Amino acid sequence: QVQLVQSGSELKEPGASVKVSCKASGYTFNRNEMNWVRQAPGQGLEWMGWISTTTGNPANAQGFTGRFVFSLDISGRTAYLEIFNLKAEDTAVYYCVRGLDSADGPGIDYWGQGTLVTVSS
Amino acid sequence: QSALTQPASVSGSPGQSITISCTGTSSDVGGYNYVSWYQQHPGKAPKLIIYGVSRRPSGISNRFSGSKSGNTASLTISGLQGEDEADYYCISYTSSVTLVFGGGTKLTVL
Repeated sequence: QVQLVQSGSELKEPGASVKVSCKASGYTFNRNEMNWVRQAPGQGLEWMGWISTTTGNPANAQGFTGRFVFSLDISGRTAYLEIFNLKAEDTAVYYCVRGLDSADGPGIDYWGQGTLVTVSS
Repeated sequence: QSALTQPASVSGSPGQSITISCTGTSSDVGGYNYVSWYQQHPGKAPKLIIYGVSRRPSGISNRFSGSKSGNTASLTISGLQGEDEADYYCISYTSSVTLVFGGGTKLTVL
């Protein structure tokens, strides 16, 4: 079965960086894009962007450019989200989410369990 | 890209049906049949319940159904059960080759 297992919670100081991992299993890794979604405490879901698992090309949504970097280790079936120069407002749960099969059109289906990133001094 | 518009909350009694709307524009909901819905229980990751406007993934109850008219998509839950109490989010593909979520709707089962 499809599984996305994310790395554990992180506590970082403002200005630091964090790298969240997402290891995939149960499907052919390079057949589906990998997306990232943010959920701030008590708030809704925000789509951050996606990365192609065939080309490695990322596409960041507005509001998630510059400090937010998506990357892959294809042989390790792992996607990464790195956030630089962390700010208090980056405190949130970050989810990796698999893209739908291409035949089903654009969208997202299976979710990782989420990684809580807390930014505080 | 502005978030899609969902009601903040809806409620219903066990056994009843409820509908949650998701309103966008012709550049997203109205322009494509790529609307999905997710259910999120507190402290849990969201779960896909509808994709492609009206398609149900394997294992999802047929009490959940989706539809679309113009720029508004809808999720209907029939035969409400206590376990349906959760937050529900819609998402749509957009003409900018992005995805955009709705603001979320809290469903309360009375």
